[in-house]
Amino acid sequence: NAGVMQNPRHLVRRRGQEARLRCSPMKGHSHVYWYRQLPEEGLKFMVYLQKENIIDESGMPKERFSAEFPKEGPSILRIQQVVRGDSAAYFCASSPGSNLQPQHFGDGTRLSIL
Amino acid sequence: GIQVEQSPPDLILQEGANSTLRCNFSDSVNNLQWFHQNPWGQLINLFYIPSGTKQNGRLSATTVATERYSLLYISSSQTTDSGVYFCAAQGGSEKLVFGKGTKLTVNP
Repeated sequence: NAGVMQNPRHLVRRRGQEARLRCSPMKGHSHVYWYRQLPEEGLKFMVYLQKENIIDESGMPKERFSAEFPKEGPSILRIQQVVRGDSAAYFCASSPGSNLQPQHFGDGTRLSIL
Repeated sequence: GIQVEQSPPDLILQEGANSTLRCNFSDSVNNLQWFHQNPWGQLINLFYIPSGTKQNGRLSATTVATERYSLLYISSSQTTDSGVYFCAAQGGSEKLVFGKGTKLTVNP
């Protein structure tokens, strides 16, 4: 019973490049959440998606960041023109439905910007 | 939105000791979860406990929703319990709001 799968585990980019982070939810889960953890801090909500829809992106920076959860395939968090401040751990979580159910987290992607 | 506060921020124990970690939240919750982030950064789901008490081995948790707090008990601590413990709450929206965590160090 595979859990939430994130890849890559580690990603190194130079300033100005693009970063693409992938998340496959648990089987049967249609709700996906992305969180960011800056060094020595707790996790902060970025975006909540259901299949083909962004439901809440209130935690997402207005520029350079985008997320999608297509009908087929994993959810993608895309960061364009990365800067040093984007260095963080990015976690994906999934749940089967409403907020009466727990969110299950992947192992995260550690993004380092040179 | 909902606010989550954890205490203490740091805790150092000798192996075999017991401890209690506290999580206060500012509003009624639909979901409350406890996590352990190990030294490799992985986030391990410990409890889903919007109310009541649950036990899993040496760990147990209690949430008193009417008084807006949750407690995580660790008994007979082991060095492998070291890491950061996070509490996260969900109020009226779908997002989990995390506390800043309690960093636990268990010495042999």
